Amino acid sequence: QMQLQESGPGLVKPAETLSLTCTVSGGSISSSTYFWGWIRQPPGKGLEWIGSIDYSGSTYYKSSLKSRVTISVDTSKNQFSLKLSSVTAADTALYYCARLPLRGYGSGPYYYGMDVWGQGTTVTVSS
Amino acid sequence: QSALTQPASVSGSPGQSITISCTGTSSDVGGYVYVSWYQQHPGKAPKLMIYEVSNRPSGVSNRFSGSKSGNTASLTISGLQAEDEADYYCSSYASSSTLVFGGGTKLTVL
Repeated sequence: QMQLQESGPGLVKPAETLSLTCTVSGGSISSSTYFWGWIRQPPGKGLEWIGSIDYSGSTYYKSSLKSRVTISVDTSKNQFSLKLSSVTAADTALYYCARLPLRGYGSGPYYYGMDVWGQGTTVTVSS
Repeated sequence: QSALTQPASVSGSPGQSITISCTGTSSDVGGYVYVSWYQQHPGKAPKLMIYEVSNRPSGVSNRFSGSKSGNTASLTISGLQAEDEADYYCSSYASSSTLVFGGGTKLTVL
């Protein structure tokens, strides 16, 4: 059974770059039938999709975060990563990585959401 | 990419049925079948309950069902049980291979 595990610093200073990694076990990240994504949840608030990537490195980002987000994949390590630059207190959140089943292609890939989630990792932005 | 609209809270007694709505636009909920629902208990990761409007993943109780009409999707839970008390989120595929979530609904089992 596939499992995802987030890792990275729990504390990041304002204006610096938040970096997280998601390690996939129990299956290959190189599967052509999935995308891989990051979702975050500020304390006491709802879920926010950040972006998605496939094994070839094709990426899609939330428009309001696009200028600060980079998602990358390392198939040799079965990992994908999130970098979020110029962070502020508003970026303090529980960050989840997840698997997104690919449902087909139109003008871009179609996916319905996330079927496997990591346990999440808390990132606090504070000096 | 505006958030989908869900009621902040709903409640019901054990054994009753409740419905949670999720309203978007023709650019997300109304335009695609890629609507899903998630259950989140406190301190836990979300769990997929419904995908593609009305499909249940293996292992999810058939007390959970989904539907869609126009720009509004709905999650219905029948035969409410205490363990159903949780936060519920909808999500939808939107344009340009993006996803959008609803604000979440807190379900209280009275």
